[in-house]
Amino acid sequence: GESVGLHLPTLSVQEGDNSIINCAYSNSASDYFIWYKQESGKGPQFIIDIRSNMDKRQGQRVTVLLNKTVKHLSLQIAATQPGDSAVYFCAENAGGTSYGKLTFGQGTILTVHP
Amino acid sequence: GAGVSQTPSNKVTEKGKYVELRCDPISGHTALYWYRQSLGQGPEFLIYFQGTGAADDSGLPNDRFFAVRPEGSVSTLKIQRTERGDSAVYLCASSLEGGGGGADTQYFGPGTRLTVL
Repeated sequence: GESVGLHLPTLSVQEGDNSIINCAYSNSASDYFIWYKQESGKGPQFIIDIRSNMDKRQGQRVTVLLNKTVKHLSLQIAATQPGDSAVYFCAENAGGTSYGKLTFGQGTILTVHP
Repeated sequence: GAGVSQTPSNKVTEKGKYVELRCDPISGHTALYWYRQSLGQGPEFLIYFQGTGAADDSGLPNDRFFAVRPEGSVSTLKIQRTERGDSAVYLCASSLEGGGGGADTQYFGPGTRLTVL
């Protein structure tokens, strides 16, 4: 869920494994979705985005899947590396008059063990 | 090229004081955004500029918060009579066009960590 709090979901994987980070979004009107990576002390870094007319998009080592029926977004990272350790946020944009506003999810802490 | 820059990186102030936080967007980006991030949470939208004008300020928590972008480039977030609850990381982002045909990618700066004692 997207409850607010200090206890973020966590995912621990071994180097070389594939990682899947999930996100449930709230607004059925959202038409643009983004995944950001945030390392400690830094701003969010863009990873990949997807628009609502697609259900899958691939980048370098990353794939985003969108299921609008259940309002679910996932980020798959192939061959996870220690440098992938960070907090990952999904964000949604409702478009229309709100097209400047991103709504972020709670975040997931990914830890990659060498 | 240069990314979004924010100054100062850290700001410590006393309750009741006035602070200004500065954002330099990526050159050529017409849209600029301010977000606030509390510990353990995702960024929360504050305000969005398209050019010089505030297109959406629905996220500003109260009238102590104000932002300007007089020449359509650099922006300043101003907080009056700061309160301890204002302590957070203030993030700035910019994007190339800012909408019209739909949302475009927002690129974030490193943030300013504000601590109100």
